[in-house]
Amino acid sequence: EEQLVESGGGLVQPGGSLRLSCVVSGFTSSSYWMSWARQAPGKGLEWVANISPDGSDRRYVDSVRGRFTISRDNVKNSLDLEVSSLTVEDTAVYYCARYYDGSGANDRFDVWGQGTKVTVSS
Amino acid sequence: DIQLTQSPSFLPASVGDRVTITCRASQGVGSYLVWYQQKPGKAPKPLIFAASTLQTGVPSRFSGSESGTEFTLTISSLQPEDFAVYYCQQLKSYPITFGQGTRLEIK
Repeated sequence: EEQLVESGGGLVQPGGSLRLSCVVSGFTSSSYWMSWARQAPGKGLEWVANISPDGSDRRYVDSVRGRFTISRDNVKNSLDLEVSSLTVEDTAVYYCARYYDGSGANDRFDVWGQGTKVTVSS
Repeated sequence: DIQLTQSPSFLPASVGDRVTITCRASQGVGSYLVWYQQKPGKAPKPLIFAASTLQTGVPSRFSGSESGTEFTLTISSLQPEDFAVYYCQQLKSYPITFGQGTRLEIK
């Protein structure tokens, strides 16, 4: 079964940092772009970052660029999101997802983890 | 950035109803449009990709269509398990964006 399991969330003070992790099983992550998305409490979904299969191409939403870093370890079949300079607006459930980069317009986030909760509060 | 505007934001409906949710893009996204279903406390689940292609395992009562920059998700006959929040997403260009969501609730 293709599965993503996130960890690393928690309570952090404004200005603090965390490292979120996503462990992949059931497929070889090195064949896929991977993504992070988030959802603030009671709000909609927001894409956060993408990383290419070899890690050479990274994309970020403007609101996190310079503060968040996406990375991957294809040997360990894992994905990370280092989040820093956190503000209360970063409070959310963070999901990792497989970005299926198909031919034509077949792109989609086709496998999702269960999410890890990050709460930024003093 | 490409904005996606869903309507309605809230949709009361009954089991057996046919419902349609609309997603309008602020500029062209081709067919790079995905629909997701999300239930409380769960991760989103893809239903439709490439605007009209059903994800494997999704019931055939779900369908998608496109007309220019307007996309629709139709559920032909609502089942109890369909009451959830639905989001559209564009992957034509960065930043990837989602619509604000449509909450489908029991009337």
